[in-house]
Amino acid sequence: KNQVEQSPQSLIILEGKNCTLQCNYTVSPFSNLRWYKQDTGRGPVSLTIMTFSENTKSNGRYTATLDADTKQSSLHITASQLSDSASYICVVSADNDMRFGAGTRLTVKP
Amino acid sequence: KAGVTQTPRYLIKTRGQQVTLSCSPISGHRSVSWYQQTPGQGLQFLFEYFSETQRNKGNFPGRFSGRQFSNSRSEMNVSTLELGDSALYLCASSLIFSGETQYFGPGTRLLVL
Repeated sequence: KNQVEQSPQSLIILEGKNCTLQCNYTVSPFSNLRWYKQDTGRGPVSLTIMTFSENTKSNGRYTATLDADTKQSSLHITASQLSDSASYICVVSADNDMRFGAGTRLTVKP
Repeated sequence: KAGVTQTPRYLIKTRGQQVTLSCSPISGHRSVSWYQQTPGQGLQFLFEYFSETQRNKGNFPGRFSGRQFSNSRSEMNVSTLELGDSALYLCASSLIFSGETQYFGPGTRLLVL
């Protein structure tokens, strides 16, 4: 069954600290993996999109990694800011299927 | 370039009514996808339209339908509303394929009483 699981469910960190969010999937055949940031009450915003051949992709302080062999991805946030407080959603696409993780709720505190 | 716009932003309906939501994609984008987001289920894919044709469909009952116009604008309709239809309905557009980077609108929050 095609599944996407994210961990942790929620995370609280202090401003300036780094953090890593995890995404494990069983979606097959794999097409691409995307990370989205969703602020409360707003639509998701794309952070990165990675295909099978890409191991890492950065977008400012956000760096996503992909291990297609173990079917794992991570999103690393460097030097967190208060504005990073949001839900981060991992989305994995197969040929005609798209699966969403439940998201990780990140709270950055001053 | 203007982003994806959705109207209305908020809507309150009663059980049994029907509702139509509208989405205008980014200029030049031809793929429009609709999603339902609830606290319990997270984001769930409803359907995708391309060139006025439904290209993919999620696992939702027939009460949920949609269409796309020649200018790529899309509408989704929910008939015979149920309490469980209360959710944030998000529209996303991409150039050609939903597998590309999608740009989401702000969503329409529907409350069914």
